[in-house]
Amino acid sequence: DVQMTQSPSSLSASIGDRVTITCRASQGIRNDLGWYQQKPGKAPKRLIYGASSLQSGVPSRFSGSGSGTEFTLTISSLQPEDFATYYCLQHNSYPTLTFGGGTKVEIK
Amino acid sequence: QVQLVESGGGVVQPGRSLRLSCAASGFTFSGYGIHWVRQAPGKGLEWVTIIWYDGSQKYYTDSVKGRFTISRDNSKNMVYLQMNSLRAEDTAMYYCVREDLRHLDQWGQGTLVSVSS
Repeated sequence: DVQMTQSPSSLSASIGDRVTITCRASQGIRNDLGWYQQKPGKAPKRLIYGASSLQSGVPSRFSGSGSGTEFTLTISSLQPEDFATYYCLQHNSYPTLTFGGGTKVEIK
Repeated sequence: QVQLVESGGGVVQPGRSLRLSCAASGFTFSGYGIHWVRQAPGKGLEWVTIIWYDGSQKYYTDSVKGRFTISRDNSKNMVYLQMNSLRAEDTAMYYCVREDLRHLDQWGQGTLVSVSS
């Protein structure tokens, strides 16, 4: 089974900060990874697919990179509406899927 | 627009059964695989099961194998999750999610299942 290790589990940041979240896969997963944002009481929303492709309608301050075992989600300039929990999801082992543990982004 | 609406959640005693439903609209339902993903209170997301676009293949996470059954009715644009022998650890919000080329792209709002005596 592919395990996804996401770090950090939480972080505090200020408006305008650059934020980086990392997911590491237990084995190579090519670019079979997506990033999701979840706000309290809401369903997750897809931000990135194919490791680096921006979902339509998602602000360009979000970007994804990586391939193989290490992946990064970057928010270039944190905005108030970006405070949320972020998850990575691998589908290399399709049809079974694995989420990372999540990263909660909080206001400093 | 694409909509997935879950229903059927509630409070149930351990060992009992519950059936969740997911009503889909706004897209060609019979062309897409559908997943269920759950989230225990205050915890992360966990993939549960998938059914292929035509219902021909179904896969489950190990913890629900033999207890949960996914099915679909393409004539009604519906997906179902039959949950038997429920345990306290099955308590979670259950999301119905559309798959697009192996990516999870559209999520329902979820239905809450609470297993408690």
